[in-house]
Amino acid sequence: DAGITQSPRHKVTETGTPVTLRCHQTENHRYMYWYRQDPGHGLRLIHYSYGVKDTDKGEVSDGYSVSRSKTEDFLLTLESATSSQTSVYFCAIGQATSGTEAFFGQGTRLTVV
Amino acid sequence: GENVEQHPSTLSVQEGDSAVIKCTYSDSASNYFPWYKQELGKRPQLIIDIRSNVGEKKDQRIAVTLNKTAKHFSLHITETQPEDSAVYFCAASITGNQFYFGTGTSLTVIP
Repeated sequence: DAGITQSPRHKVTETGTPVTLRCHQTENHRYMYWYRQDPGHGLRLIHYSYGVKDTDKGEVSDGYSVSRSKTEDFLLTLESATSSQTSVYFCAIGQATSGTEAFFGQGTRLTVV
Repeated sequence: GENVEQHPSTLSVQEGDSAVIKCTYSDSASNYFPWYKQELGKRPQLIIDIRSNVGEKKDQRIAVTLNKTAKHFSLHITETQPEDSAVYFCAASITGNQFYFGTGTSLTVIP
């Protein structure tokens, strides 16, 4: 498996608090992605990065921000968590130049109460 | 952006029968189509993929077909086994860009 890890794996937080999820890769992939998975919606892209400090929005980016200060780390921040952001979050990496598949991290289950 | 639709949302088959999952996409520039299998509580994992210059690809009991003109692609699983039970996702991508996923098909193989 590609070297990609997410932390934390599980988190419960209160409405209105900030939350940061971390994705760490050891594969030196240029592209990194954050998805959320909800029943009936599949995997929806939140944000993605195509290089250090280069990021762009996905289809469900409202309420989320990202940062990528190093190739290996991609952080997802919920500035003020809401119950609608309760979900399973997956980070993925992909090799842009050859158009290979996305490799997923183990996922983070976030519950906002 | 790209829009990927996937059908059916649920599928039950008897062990040994075939299963077919279909996806359509909207952006004619999409040129890479991976399929993922996700077991309960696990991460999605690639099972097969196809590129736009190929019409069909097969890997043991799994095959994928692509019709670029109609903008649809399908996953075929033959001789299904209970361990094939999972959620399957199709995706479309323009090389090096975003991956757009379908909403998933929950496949149940009945022993």
